[in-house]
Amino acid sequence: AQSVSQHNHHVILSEAASLELGCNYSYGGTVNLFWYVQYPGQHLQLLLKYFSGDPLVKGIKGFEAEFIKSKFSFNLRKPSVQWSDTAEYFCAVNNQGGKLIFGQGTELSVKP
Amino acid sequence: EAGVAQSPRYKIIEKRQSVAFWCNPISGHATLYWYQQILGQGPKLLIQFQNNGVVDDSQLPKDRFSAERLKGVDSTLKIQPAKLEDSAVYLCASSLVSNEQYFGPGTRLTVT
Repeated sequence: AQSVSQHNHHVILSEAASLELGCNYSYGGTVNLFWYVQYPGQHLQLLLKYFSGDPLVKGIKGFEAEFIKSKFSFNLRKPSVQWSDTAEYFCAVNNQGGKLIFGQGTELSVKP
Repeated sequence: EAGVAQSPRYKIIEKRQSVAFWCNPISGHATLYWYQQILGQGPKLLIQFQNNGVVDDSQLPKDRFSAERLKGVDSTLKIQPAKLEDSAVYLCASSLVSNEQYFGPGTRLTVT
């Protein structure tokens, strides 16, 4: 069965620090990969997605993620976080039209 | 474009009572999903509709949960009778193509 693992449950950073959130998945076939973000009091929003092509994808608000097929990973990065990036981040995978499988989420707290 | 609408936003019931949630997807989105998100976990798919037909309900506890999507638009999810472990946020999502889902604000259910 497919599964998604996010390495950190809670990350605390100061503003301007760099961010990397880990995501690994288990599925042998072709996958689509997503990062969703949930800001406090708001609904889940798509941050970025990978379907095919360039493994380095850029999303909204300066976020990017790199798909490394050999490592079954799709880590999320941002060079310099802001207080407004405080949110919960979810990695998700589906096998092209199948159901989305979510990781357990990483809560990011950014100190001003 | 209007987003996915859900109601109610919050619901508190006692165990063994019944409850229903409503979802109105983005106009024109043929695919509709219901997810359950337990505190500290990522969303888990309960049921997926394509128009008004069920595509995947493998993780729906059918002895107590039911869902319908009449006329291929709005959908309702019902729990009868509720158990304490059903306390969660119930998310509705819709998509035009199955790879990109848009989420509603969710209904937070507390079962006491």
